[in-house]
Amino acid sequence: SAVISQKPSRDICQRGTSLTIQCQVDSQVTMMFWYRQQPGQSLTLIATANQGSEATYESGFVIDKFPISRPNLTFSTLTVSNMSPEDSSIYLCSVYFQGDYTFGSGTRLTVV
Amino acid sequence: AQSVSQHNHHVILSEAASLELGCNYSYGGTVNLFWYVQYPGQHLQLLLKYFSGDPLVKGIKGFEAEFIKSKFSFNLRKPSVQWSDTAEYFCAVTFDTGTASKLTFGTGTRLQVTL
Repeated sequence: SAVISQKPSRDICQRGTSLTIQCQVDSQVTMMFWYRQQPGQSLTLIATANQGSEATYESGFVIDKFPISRPNLTFSTLTVSNMSPEDSSIYLCSVYFQGDYTFGSGTRLTVV
Repeated sequence: AQSVSQHNHHVILSEAASLELGCNYSYGGTVNLFWYVQYPGQHLQLLLKYFSGDPLVKGIKGFEAEFIKSKFSFNLRKPSVQWSDTAEYFCAVTFDTGTASKLTFGTGTRLQVTL
C-alpha cells in the first residue's frame, strides 16, 4: 500500500489565522481525499482532490474555507482558513492505491 | 440517502469474550465494505475489506466479517478479544464501486476490553 507523510502532526493556532496541511505520498495516485475527525466522532469527507482539476467538495464544506491544491500525483495541501475554535479537529488525508485506502497519521488542530 | 450506521457506540467486554460489532448501510446497489481500527493515538488501519466473492472475509489480528446482502449488513466478529483490541472501530462503505470511490464512514464503535 501507499505510504503517506502528513505535516504538521499537530498545531495550535489563533482564531482568524490559516493553516496549511501537507500530504505527500510515496506513489502516484489519482485520487486524494481530505477528511475531518472532530473530537470523539467519525470521519467526515471534506473533499476529493484530483490532480489538475478543482477539488470536489462535500455538502457543508466550501472552497473559500478549505482551499485544496493538487499540483501533482504525489502531493496535496488542505488549508483551513479564517479559523475558529469550531475548526479544532483532526484532519486526515487519504489515498486510493491498488485497491486499498490508506490514511495519513493526521494533523491535530487546536484553535484558540 | 446513502448512509452507514453502527448501532453499538460503546462496547465493554472482558478478555476472552466474543465480539460482534454491527454495521448496516442503506443502498440498493453494489458496495465495497471495509472495517478500520484506530488504536489510541494512532492512525487508521485496515482490518479487512470485501469487494466480491466469499461473503465471509478474514482479516488481520483474528478478525472476520460477514457480508449479508439481504440484510445490508457487514458485521465484524472476533471469537476471543484481547486487552490490546481496545480501540475505536469504524465501518466504511463505498457506494459507487468505480475506481477510487469515496469512503463513507459509520459513527464508530469504541471497544473497551477489561482484564
